This record gives sequence, C-alpha cells and structure tokens, in this order.
Amino acid sequence: NAGVTQTPKFQVLKTGQSMTLQCAQDMNHNSMYWYRQDPGMGLRLIYYSASEGTTDKGEVPNGYNVSRLNKREFSLRLESAAPSQTSVYFCASTWGSANTGELFFGEGSRLTVL
Amino acid sequence: SQQGEEDPQALSIQEGENATMNCSYKTSINNLQWYRQNSGRGLVHLILIRSNEREKHSGRLRVTLDTSKKSSSLLITASRAADTASYFCATRPGANSKLTFGKGITLSVRP
Repeated sequence: NAGVTQTPKFQVLKTGQSMTLQCAQDMNHNSMYWYRQDPGMGLRLIYYSASEGTTDKGEVPNGYNVSRLNKREFSLRLESAAPSQTSVYFCASTWGSANTGELFFGEGSRLTVL
Repeated sequence: SQQGEEDPQALSIQEGENATMNCSYKTSINNLQWYRQNSGRGLVHLILIRSNEREKHSGRLRVTLDTSKKSSSLLITASRAADTASYFCATRPGANSKLTFGKGITLSVRP
C-alpha cells in the first residue's frame, strides 16, 4: 500500500512562477489536508478538505489555492510563488474527524522559491 | 497559533535511558496525539489519548494525560538510537476541529 503520495519531492521556483503540488491517497479517506513546516514553527494548516467536493481555509491560506479533484486527490497550487513560501509541504489524510482522527502523512515536498 | 507546546525543545540521552517529553495546551480538548518525524521524512502517528483517558501504552511508549493541568507526557522507555527523531504533540479541541501541532521536540539518543 502506497498510503499518501506527494509529487514532486523537490522543486525550485523563481519568484512569480506558479506550480501545483499533487497529493493522492489510496486509503479511501474522506478528509485531506495540506500543511507547511518551517523551522521553529511546527506544522501549520494551509487548507483542508473534509470530504470530496468541499474545501476550507486553514491557518495560513494566503497565496495558495486547492482542488479536491476526487476522493483520492487533493492538489495545492501556488499561483505566484514568493520567497516566503519556501517550505516543506506535507499532505495528510484521515477517515474523518469523527473517527480516530489519526493523520497519515506523505513524505513531503521541499519547495525553494528564489 | 500553536495549541500545544512541547517541553523541552531538545533532549539528548544515552541509549537505554528513558526519555520523557511534555506537552501543554491551552483549551479543552477532544483528544491529544503524539507523532514522530525522522529527519527528512513525513510524520508518523504514535499514539492517541482521548480526554476521558488518563494513560495509554503502546510497546515502549507510555502517554499520560492530565486534563486538569492541560498537559500530557510521552515516555519512551529503554531508548534506542533509532528513536532519534522529532516528536510532536497535536491537539484536537473538539470532535470536528482540526488537529493543531506544537513546534516539536528534538530527541537525540546516543549509542
């Protein structure tokens, strides 16, 4: 079982470029999340999708957009990348907050914006 | 803003010793979870404790929860070099709330 798969693993962008981070899970989970991890800041929630067809803002949504393409896939888009978006991005999924609430994480996408 | 705050920020111990990490939080919770992150990897769930539970065990892990003090402890017994990682506590204020992570504790276990 692959679990949560993120692509790409590494990416370097120039300021102003756009890109999409892809995430797919094969566990039939309802909820999916995008976090960013910065040194000394822990993990901060960018956007989440409680179920297919719904998305909501998290703690730090500015500069990002998301798409819940289907139950398996949840993408994160940077329309005009800025150096402040240099970070490690993690996708996670879970059955739903009404259940155990345990999150399953991908291995991360390391993004550098020059 | 972080709901949970771990203490200490960094911990270095000898292999075979016990490691104790603490987490304090601000508001009432539905459950509290601990995760481990190895260098360059994603987070892995270790254990979940609900607000009506006081202690849980999983292998060499023991988690306690004191809701009156709004705090939790993670104890790793007989530590191994492979336990070297960052450990995060995460809290869920309500059943339908989102999980909020602390900043993490860096544990180094010396062989």
